[in-house]
Amino acid sequence: DTEVTQTPKHLVMGMTNKKSLKCEQHMGHRAMYWYKQKAKKPPELMFVYSYEKLSINESVPSRFSPECPNSSLLNLHLHALQPEDSALYLCASSQGGTSGGFQETQYFGPGTRLLVL
Amino acid sequence: GDSVTQMEGPVTLSEEAFLTINCTYTATGYPSLFWYVQYPGEGLQLLLKATKADDKGSNKGFEATYRKETTSFHLEKGSVQVSDSAVYFCALSDYTGNQFYFGTGTSLTVIP
Repeated sequence: DTEVTQTPKHLVMGMTNKKSLKCEQHMGHRAMYWYKQKAKKPPELMFVYSYEKLSINESVPSRFSPECPNSSLLNLHLHALQPEDSALYLCASSQGGTSGGFQETQYFGPGTRLLVL
Repeated sequence: GDSVTQMEGPVTLSEEAFLTINCTYTATGYPSLFWYVQYPGEGLQLLLKATKADDKGSNKGFEATYRKETTSFHLEKGSVQVSDSAVYFCALSDYTGNQFYFGTGTSLTVIP
């Protein structure tokens, strides 16, 4: 099983709402990633978790709050978002979780398409 | 710093045409190189990778060779199909594996 699942598939939220994006993998991977992708652009790295600990935070605004409750799950909590945060949010995982993890293959989920009104 | 420069798109080809998407990189040491593909409405999938100079990655008829002398990792396919229509991203992991860079992506449309 090389699948990363993400829910919901689509999400529309107002600027005062609180919502969460969920990501799950059952490949035994120990590194998990959140990316943001705007239309016709490459994905931009937001966060990396390694062994359930936050290892990279790419200066993401605090209205995005990641959480890794266990080795299979990754959440992204959203609060007070802005319309410019509308994008496709991609989750990925890779095997290692130790330093040098980006040399590994990342397995991506299908993404959550978020619209902030 | 390290970076990836990818051929501008969009690219439109007829079915069975030959495909080349250029990718060059700037990096210290020996990075790992990847091609990811994103089909419409989906996440990214690894297409192929190469981890050292002169390695050739291949998958689904696509090939790319890690050329240290020209710092390139061009993607090629001898005969494209309509189902190959997608956005292709060249990517690089630095020699430590602690940094990762995507190219800007090249949109490919194959027409029957």
